[in-house]
Amino acid sequence: QVLLQESGPGLLKPSQTLSLFCTVSGGSISTSTYHWNWIRQPAGKALEWIGRFHISGRTNYNLSLRSRVTISLDTSRRQFSLSLTSVTVADTAVYYCARSGMIDGAPSNAFDIWGQGTLVSVSA
Amino acid sequence: QSVLTQPPSVSGAPGQRVTISCTGSSSNIGADYDVHWYQLLPGTAPKLLIYGDSNRPSGVPDRFSGSKSGTSASLAIAGLQAEDEAYFYCQSYDISLSGWVFGGGTKLTVL
Repeated sequence: QVLLQESGPGLLKPSQTLSLFCTVSGGSISTSTYHWNWIRQPAGKALEWIGRFHISGRTNYNLSLRSRVTISLDTSRRQFSLSLTSVTVADTAVYYCARSGMIDGAPSNAFDIWGQGTLVSVSA
Repeated sequence: QSVLTQPPSVSGAPGQRVTISCTGSSSNIGADYDVHWYQLLPGTAPKLLIYGDSNRPSGVPDRFSGSKSGTSASLAIAGLQAEDEAYFYCQSYDISLSGWVFGGGTKLTVL
């Protein structure tokens, strides 16, 4: 059973860089089958897809965040990471990591496995 | 304001059937991109309920079903149970935004 677990600091000041990690257990992170995604949800608001990374090195980012976001993979640690620069109060949210690529043997871009989420607050 | 529009809330009594709509546009659902549905409970990992418009992942009860027509999609939940009370989100791909987008979410209350 594949499990995802987010980790990282929960409190940041404006202008700092947010760095989160997602540890993958119970399965391979190096497979070409899947993309590794970050998604966030500000309190009382909708989910927002941030971006994704594929083992080939290809990344896709939300156009509204692209100038501040980097997603990368560390296969030795079975982790993928999110870096978001120049944070503001508007970046306060629960951040989720999630997997996409295949479901029940069929290709799909749905997010089939998610972490429980980690709250990141930005405050002066 | 979300790219995909959902009703803020729906409710139903135990045993009843409810539907949650998800309305998009010609750049997402109307372009025939897949619609997926998720269930969110506070403090737990979101759960995929429906993928590819109408497919259930292994382990999801057949009380949950999805459909799509034109620029809209729907999630139906039959035989409502108290444990179904949660937030539900639809998701699709938007070609004009070059990324995945979600609905604003719908809170289901089981009366």
